[in-house]
Amino acid sequence: GAVVSQHPSRVICKSGTSVKIECRSLDFQATTMFWYRQFPKQSLMLMATSNEGSKATYEQGVEKDKFLINHASLTLSTLTVTSAHPEDSSFYICSAAGHQNQPQHFGDGTRLSIL
Amino acid sequence: GDSVTQMEGPVTLSEEACLTINCTYTATGYPSLFWYVQYPGEGLQLLLKATKADDKGSNKGFEATYRKETTSFHLEKGSVQVSDSAVYFCALQTAGNKLTFGGGTRVLVKP
Repeated sequence: GAVVSQHPSRVICKSGTSVKIECRSLDFQATTMFWYRQFPKQSLMLMATSNEGSKATYEQGVEKDKFLINHASLTLSTLTVTSAHPEDSSFYICSAAGHQNQPQHFGDGTRLSIL
Repeated sequence: GDSVTQMEGPVTLSEEACLTINCTYTATGYPSLFWYVQYPGEGLQLLLKATKADDKGSNKGFEATYRKETTSFHLEKGSVQVSDSAVYFCALQTAGNKLTFGGGTRVLVKP
């Protein structure tokens, strides 16, 4: 089946550091990738949708300058949390979809802890 | 807007018991419906899906039927195992591949 690899799985950084998370579709071309944030014992909150070669579409309330998304190829999207602070600590999950109306396939998530 | 409502957990069961997790939705148009499962510390895995009314999705002993008349997509399994302990998310997908998730239901199966 379709495989999405997310890296790193866990990162612990000092406040003020910028952190990059990678999301790769390993065996299919992802025309669209999604980034979610999940707080403990809660559902997934969509942060942004990115299409290859174009700017990401951010959900209301998500800071574009804080969460930089790049989708440079059909197999790779990156999320950079800039100048991270403790309140940015969370579980970030990416997903990828091939063609229109195809199911999303999820990465294993990245647990970000900012000290 | 689109929304998904699923029963709150946690649901605690004994092994071999029957499991039902209710899920209802509101959406414009004709969404596809999904159940995802999340094991501790991991991302989401697609469990099953249905793309039109009366379709039944099934996988690993789990089933769910797309009921347009009741706007429901309840998840069922006849005999659960300890390994089924996880959080289950109901979701709908509309145009643009965007998913709308329910709040998740935590299931704990005891030996």
